[in-house]
Amino acid sequence: DTAVSQTPKYLVTQMGNDKSIKCEQNLGHDTMYWYKQDSKKFLKIMFSYNNKELIINETVPNRFSPKSPDKAHLNLHINSLELGDSAVYFCASSQGLASWQFFGPGTRLTVL
Amino acid sequence: EDKVVQSPLSLVVHEGDTVTLNCSYEVTNFRSLLWYKQEKKAPTFLFMLTSSGIEKKSGRLSSILDKKELFSILNITATQTGDSAVYLCAVEAGNNNDMRFGAGTRLTVKP
Repeated sequence: DTAVSQTPKYLVTQMGNDKSIKCEQNLGHDTMYWYKQDSKKFLKIMFSYNNKELIINETVPNRFSPKSPDKAHLNLHINSLELGDSAVYFCASSQGLASWQFFGPGTRLTVL
Repeated sequence: EDKVVQSPLSLVVHEGDTVTLNCSYEVTNFRSLLWYKQEKKAPTFLFMLTSSGIEKKSGRLSSILDKKELFSILNITATQTGDSAVYLCAVEAGNNNDMRFGAGTRLTVKP
């Protein structure tokens, strides 16, 4: 019954690997987001999709590629992982852009 | 299961009013509690609280944590229309500092 879910919760991998993080929401929302949380707990938006279309694409390396197969899912694929990619990544969803967002539990990515 | 509950869900006040937003939690191995303000895009960080009874203050905003009663409040004095936003509470807990967000409180400040 979780509203916004992310898998996996923890991901430990080696530099250079390719990995994916999945996000699903069952709230019927039309907009989904990916955030990276930095060491100061700031949330930096990476991408936003509205009705499966990319709306926001902040300055994020090309190694990061979001994919939204449908409105309820927004996955994040990361190629050639680097040490600096280590962080907690949060998925969120809302009804409409710039609306009340509901956050998932986060995925802690550790790149060794 | 860990829970973070915010109240009220929404609040409408007039400019100049003082508001108090609540965040209660039930988590295992509490680490810290954070408050964010969400307006348009990304939530902006407000406060991080780790110790009971120590008020954090930034302008008209202040927050305090009660680790015995497991809650935090966010106070906003002399509210302005620019304070209108969703305020999110999040708790870090567990051995891995997992963070769980509350559902938020929508504050509307009318002129």
